[in-house]
Amino acid sequence: DTEVTQTPKHLVMGMTNKKSLKCEQHMGHRAMYWYKQKAKKPPELMFVYSYEKLSINESVPSRFSPECPNSSLLNLHLHALQPEDSALYLCASSQGVAGGPSTDTQYFGPGTRLTVL
Amino acid sequence: AQTVTQSQPEMSVQEAETVTLSCTYDTSESDYYLFWYKQPPSRQMILVIRQEAYKQQNATENRFSVNFQKAAKSFSLKISDSQLGDAAMYFCAYGAGSYQLTFGKGTKLSVIP
Repeated sequence: DTEVTQTPKHLVMGMTNKKSLKCEQHMGHRAMYWYKQKAKKPPELMFVYSYEKLSINESVPSRFSPECPNSSLLNLHLHALQPEDSALYLCASSQGVAGGPSTDTQYFGPGTRLTVL
Repeated sequence: AQTVTQSQPEMSVQEAETVTLSCTYDTSESDYYLFWYKQPPSRQMILVIRQEAYKQQNATENRFSVNFQKAAKSFSLKISDSQLGDAAMYFCAYGAGSYQLTFGKGTKLSVIP
């Protein structure tokens, strides 16, 4: 089973709202990722969690706040977003290796389409 | 820095025919991995095929196969017996000892019935 699930599928929010995106996997993977994807562009890495610790933050604005409550779950908390933050947000997971990064295969979820008004 | 180039922004293929998508990359690493991902209009990025650079043998997965030319830094994807469900954006990606994948800009494949 190579399934990563994401909720909600679609989200519309105002610039003053607070919302959260959720990602879940039950493959026993220990690395989880958030990507942002604009239309007709490749995904851009935002955050990486490895063994529930934040490993990579690609200089993402603080209005995006990731959280990894356990090895199966990854959240992205959103606050005071801008219209230019409207995009597809993809979650991915990979097996992960204790003690350091590795290039194992990333499995992606179906994404959350976010619109900021 | 590693770069991945997909020189064909769009391609089309007749149903049941064969099509090849090209990908070239630049790296100074000797050990790395290459991937093709497919993203249909449903949005989900689906792994099509993976190739380890240390393996000489080209990876295959049913109707999908790659032509991996390490010296030329080329990694093309061949889709045989194209089906309507193959219509999607295809991304070539490179990874080497890091969590980060370097993606190409993508090739949009249309399948003509």
